[in-house]
Amino acid sequence: KQEVTQIPAALSVPEGENLVLNCSFTDSAIYNLQWFRQDPGKGLTSLLLIQSSQREQTSGRLNASLDKSSGRSTLYIAASQPGDSATYLCAAITQGGSEKLVFGKGTKLTVNP
Amino acid sequence: GAVVSQHPSWVICKSGTSVKIECRSLDFQATTMFWYRQFPKQSLMLMATSNEGSKATYEQGVEKDKFLINHASLTLSTLTVTSAHPEDSSFYICSAIPRRNEQFFGPGTRLTVL
Repeated sequence: KQEVTQIPAALSVPEGENLVLNCSFTDSAIYNLQWFRQDPGKGLTSLLLIQSSQREQTSGRLNASLDKSSGRSTLYIAASQPGDSATYLCAAITQGGSEKLVFGKGTKLTVNP
Repeated sequence: GAVVSQHPSWVICKSGTSVKIECRSLDFQATTMFWYRQFPKQSLMLMATSNEGSKATYEQGVEKDKFLINHASLTLSTLTVTSAHPEDSSFYICSAIPRRNEQFFGPGTRLTVL
């Protein structure tokens, strides 16, 4: 059974700092891994999707990497801004065709002005 | 593209009543939609997989008679919480898949049962 863990649970940084959010998964046979952002009381916004054959994806100030052999993914945020404050969730789809996402509990990020 | 909407965005009801939540894919067809529940400060937990034209597949521990799912068209799935009780109060989120294995989520519905 796939389990996804995110560390740290919460992170507070000053504006402008570069930061890394960590995600680990127990079953390396994943189909893809997806990073989401969730603002309080809101739904999820997809940030980056990494296919199992890929090692990283980039979008603007965001870069996500995937290392299947070690069961890890990282989300790198460059030059953080107060507007980046949110909870970041990673989720994995295990191979097998079910398309079910298994979520971590998220990292709550606060970027202080 | 790939927009998913939910209605209502929030609902308050009395204990014992039933509540229907709609999930719509606005600019694509979705043969599969997913329903999740999220308790405060917790992650999303998959409740069921909604399949167009067939019965939903429920996750272990989710009562299918309490959480009725209907996926009558390629753009609409509904979740009905029957005889709701305070412990059913939660944030319910749906998702749909416009292309293989990339899910897009609705804005969520906050249910409060008094």
